Amino acid sequence: NAGVTQTPKFQVLKTGQSMTLQCAQDMNHEYMSWYRQDPGMGLRLIHYSVGAGITDQGEVPNGYNVSRSTTEDFPLRLLSAAPSQTSVYFCASSSSGTSGTDTQYFGPGTRLTVL
Amino acid sequence: AQSVTQPDIHITVSEGASLELRCNYSYGATPYLFWYVQSPGQGLQLLLKYFSGDTLVQGIKGFEAEFKRSQSSFNLRKPSVHWSDAAEYFCAVGGNSGYALNFGKGTSLLVTP
Repeated sequence: NAGVTQTPKFQVLKTGQSMTLQCAQDMNHEYMSWYRQDPGMGLRLIHYSVGAGITDQGEVPNGYNVSRSTTEDFPLRLLSAAPSQTSVYFCASSSSGTSGTDTQYFGPGTRLTVL
Repeated sequence: AQSVTQPDIHITVSEGASLELRCNYSYGATPYLFWYVQSPGQGLQLLLKYFSGDTLVQGIKGFEAEFKRSQSSFNLRKPSVHWSDAAEYFCAVGGNSGYALNFGKGTSLLVTP
């Protein structure tokens, strides 16, 4: 198993450009999520999905879109990049459950810089 | 709303010394609590988790944590620190939805010779 994979590892954008951060998992996990990590802020939840076709907003969803057409993939789209979106982005997945007891597995991250 | 506080931004310990990283949470019901470690340039790795039962939880790499409901704390401990333990440590609480995690801001651990 590759676990949770993210591409690209690094990306530089200009203000106003759009892009998609890719996330895939091969563990057949129902739950997937996106976090951003900023210095001194810990990780903050952007969006999450509890299964194919179902997504919801987290703590900081503005400026980001997601969709979940398959169990394996959960891409994060930046519609019009802004310098405030400069961050490290982590994707995570866990098996389904009725509580938060399942371990979340994290990808290696994508470091995004918006100029 | 649930939240997590890690009071110490940076901690420095000597190799071989004991370690305790503090974590306080705010949550109305029984919390699901986690400790993750992040090495430089890496993703997050789960050290241990608490859901119910025994309040002393054993994790990987020789770490343990104790859940104290009366103090709303879930402190991480290790009896003897190794240089390879230098990393960022995050405490997290399971969210209301049962899926999303709320993270603390992290504690950066430096290990000196």
